[in-house]
Amino acid sequence: AQSVTQPDIHITVSEGASLELRCNYSYGATPYLFWYVQSPGQGLQLLLKYFSGDTLVQGIKGFEAEFKRSQSSFNLRKPSVHWSDAAEYFCAVGPLNFGNEKLTFGTGTRLTIIP
Amino acid sequence: DAGVIQSPRHEVTEMGQEVTLRCKPISGHNSLFWYRQTMMRGLELLIYFNNNVPIDDSGMPEDRFSAKMPNASFSTLKIQPSEPRDSAVYFCASSPAGTNGKKLFFGSGTQLSVL
Repeated sequence: AQSVTQPDIHITVSEGASLELRCNYSYGATPYLFWYVQSPGQGLQLLLKYFSGDTLVQGIKGFEAEFKRSQSSFNLRKPSVHWSDAAEYFCAVGPLNFGNEKLTFGTGTRLTIIP
Repeated sequence: DAGVIQSPRHEVTEMGQEVTLRCKPISGHNSLFWYRQTMMRGLELLIYFNNNVPIDDSGMPEDRFSAKMPNASFSTLKIQPSEPRDSAVYFCASSPAGTNGKKLFFGSGTQLSVL
């Protein structure tokens, strides 16, 4: 069965600092990988996704993520965070040959930005 | 585009009462999903529809939960009777068919509190 682990429940970074959120997945074949962001009181919004090609993918809001098959990881990065990036971030994994109904979400990482 | 619209935003009810949550997906999207989000269990898929037809309701926790999609622009999730352990945020999401079908568009959710 597929699974997603986000080992950091809560991360605090200073505004302007770099950010890396960790995501490890378990899946028997090449997965479809996603990062979603949830702002307070809102639904989840897709930041980026990966299923093939260049292992470094660019997303919205200046985020990027790198797929590392050898480490079963798909970490999210941003070189310089803004106060508006404070939110909860969810990694998700799904099989290539199915739709969104087979997505498994991680438990999320809450990001706090300090001035 | 107005996005996925859910109502109500907040619902407070007493145990034993019937609760109906509503969702209007994005026009043209052919898949609709109901999720429940809690601190303990994270984001769980309850049921999803393709072209208004329920495909998989294995995530529905009990017979007290039911969902309908009478047409392409409206879906309901009903809990009858409600219990305190049903308290959670319920999200509706939709997605288009075709090459962009791997992207979920979420509503802002309904915060349900059962007293």
